[in-house]
Amino acid sequence: GAVVSQHPSRVICKSGTSVKIECRSLDFQATTMFWYRQFPKKSLMLMATSNEGSKATYEQGVEKDKFLINHASLTLSTLTVTSAHPEDSSFYICSARLLLAGVSSYNEQFFGPGTRLTVL
Amino acid sequence: RKEVEQDPGPFNVPEGATVAFNCTYSNSASQSFFWYRQDCRKEPKLLMSVYSSGNEDGRFTAQLNRASQYISLLIRDSKLSDSATYLCVVNIRTGANNLFFGTGTRLTVIP
Repeated sequence: GAVVSQHPSRVICKSGTSVKIECRSLDFQATTMFWYRQFPKKSLMLMATSNEGSKATYEQGVEKDKFLINHASLTLSTLTVTSAHPEDSSFYICSARLLLAGVSSYNEQFFGPGTRLTVL
Repeated sequence: RKEVEQDPGPFNVPEGATVAFNCTYSNSASQSFFWYRQDCRKEPKLLMSVYSSGNEDGRFTAQLNRASQYISLLIRDSKLSDSATYLCVVNIRTGANNLFFGTGTRLTVIP
């Protein structure tokens, strides 16, 4: 159980185009999902926290107008990279937090397989 | 200063060796601690949580020292399949359950 999928797994696009990445929790509901970015040989950096039914919370330095997040249902969050540029090329990974009823201390995030974005 | 710091390695060890990874975190209010494993071009996967009393899972032992803000992972009897990057992860923000990742330590187990 606790599987998270991402689509697409890889995308190559021209500079200036927009790219949408989907993150789905397949067998559980996730009120909170997280979007990370990882550059080569660097650590994962949290970009934003996606909250179902409300606005996302962005980390410092992440442009909310450039990285649009929509968490329309309990199993789907989308990240749209608008007007992509070569410096946006990276590995984007989402995660979903699994909550256990009655266990407030449980805190495991399950990660999607990632989306490798290359902007030409 | 980074929230989580790790020795990036690489660590190249022969099969059967014991290897230890260390990690330090800067925020004394950090709530919970984890080791994740990430294979090349794959997503991170939880290896084990780290508890104050220390915990063991087969060949893997994790230790936490809150006073020194230090976390360790010990792998005994290394297998080829242990080759991966090991990420030290800390939950810093109370209530928000956001995870902060170290840069990872690359391990290669050699036949």
